[in-house]
Amino acid sequence: NAGVTQTPKFQVLKTGQSMTLQCAQDMNHNSMYWYRQDPGMGLRLIYYSASEGTTDKGEVPNGYNVSRLNKREFSLRLESAAPSQTSVYFCASSDETRNFFEQYFGPGTRLTVT
Amino acid sequence: GQSLEQPSEVTAVEGAIVQINCTYQTSGFYGLSWYQQHDGGAPTFLSYNALDGLEETGRFSSFLSRSDSYGYLLLQELQMKDSASYFCAVGQTDSWGKLQFGAGTQVVVTP
Repeated sequence: NAGVTQTPKFQVLKTGQSMTLQCAQDMNHNSMYWYRQDPGMGLRLIYYSASEGTTDKGEVPNGYNVSRLNKREFSLRLESAAPSQTSVYFCASSDETRNFFEQYFGPGTRLTVT
Repeated sequence: GQSLEQPSEVTAVEGAIVQINCTYQTSGFYGLSWYQQHDGGAPTFLSYNALDGLEETGRFSSFLSRSDSYGYLLLQELQMKDSASYFCAVGQTDSWGKLQFGAGTQVVVTP
């Protein structure tokens, strides 16, 4: 099992460009999450999907959109990138039948917006 | 609103015991979990407490006191590989499925 995979690993964008971060999990988990982590800080939830077809805003949703494509895949889109969106983005998943406190994270995407 | 406080850094020698405290202020508190993150890596789940008391998992233990809005992670028999950041995270009953993370505690283990 690969667990949670994310692409790309690194990305540099110019202000105003758009891009989609991809995330997939092979653990048959219902819930998936997108977080951002800025230097020296904890993780902040951007969007959350409790199940296929549902999404909900987290703490910092402005400037982002998400799509829960199917049970396995959850993508994050930046429509018009801004320097403030320079961060490390982590995707995670959890098994609701067990415990949403136990989340499994992907390796992250390091995004720089110039 | 809600807030989480944990120390920014703790330094200890190999073989020692380290306690990382986490105090929280949150409505509808449901539970507290702990994650470890090595530099450049992904966070990994360590433990979870919903009820008062101590949960032990090998060298790591986690404690919760709901009445004091406080928990801690105890790292015993410290090893060099334990040098990492440790985050506490809380969940609320009215935000089911979502976690709020603290800013993290950098643990530095010295020989």
